[in-house]
Amino acid sequence: DADVTQTPRNRITKTGKRIMLECSQTKGHDRMYWYRQDPGLGLRLIYYSFDVKDINKGEISDGYSVSRQAQAKFSLSLESAIPNQTALYFCATSDYTDGGGELFFGEGSRLTVL
Amino acid sequence: GQNIDQPTEMTATEGAIVQINCTYQTSGFNGLFWYQQHAGEAPTFLSYNVLDGLEEKGRFSSFLSRSKGYSYLLLKELQMKDSASYLCAVRAINAGNNRKLIWGLGTSLAVNP
Repeated sequence: DADVTQTPRNRITKTGKRIMLECSQTKGHDRMYWYRQDPGLGLRLIYYSFDVKDINKGEISDGYSVSRQAQAKFSLSLESAIPNQTALYFCATSDYTDGGGELFFGEGSRLTVL
Repeated sequence: GQNIDQPTEMTATEGAIVQINCTYQTSGFNGLFWYQQHAGEAPTFLSYNVLDGLEEKGRFSSFLSRSKGYSYLLLKELQMKDSASYLCAVRAINAGNNRKLIWGLGTSLAVNP
């Protein structure tokens, strides 16, 4: 089983619908992140959380919200989906260290908004 | 500003060596990462450099020169499965001691038989 699990893996929805993408991890990491990836734009950070009581906006948080339900769970919501939110979304975790702190990514959730 | 540049595409031949370059402009440099991403899959960590020099890990090596704002990823004995996108990412610390990861757009490597 994957250490970082995202559900759903694929979703097609319509404009205006509320969508939740869920992420759970078994790595025991405190830090969790949501990214979106678009062709030609690379990975962009939406929100991140350094522990259960800590939520921070990333570079493109407008139109998104998050909830850190537990150390192992971090969900991303689109309250009213729009077509330009069509993208590949990744959840990631990291362990805070000065010597690295690389990201461990989930398998991705491909969202299409019609 | 903060910026990362890497070539968009590269091609190489199976069994050969390829070098993927990454140049960056950032303040508060705190480390450089290389990730591999196969099409439609998640990025996976390859290497981390924070001091100048070469880090070798099997067929993959990564080099960093902080004074030049330059890194490269060297892939030896190329295999077909190395066809993927290679992402360079720089971590920077600002005046408030907050860390930020800046991503390049990736280099798409095609390995041909």
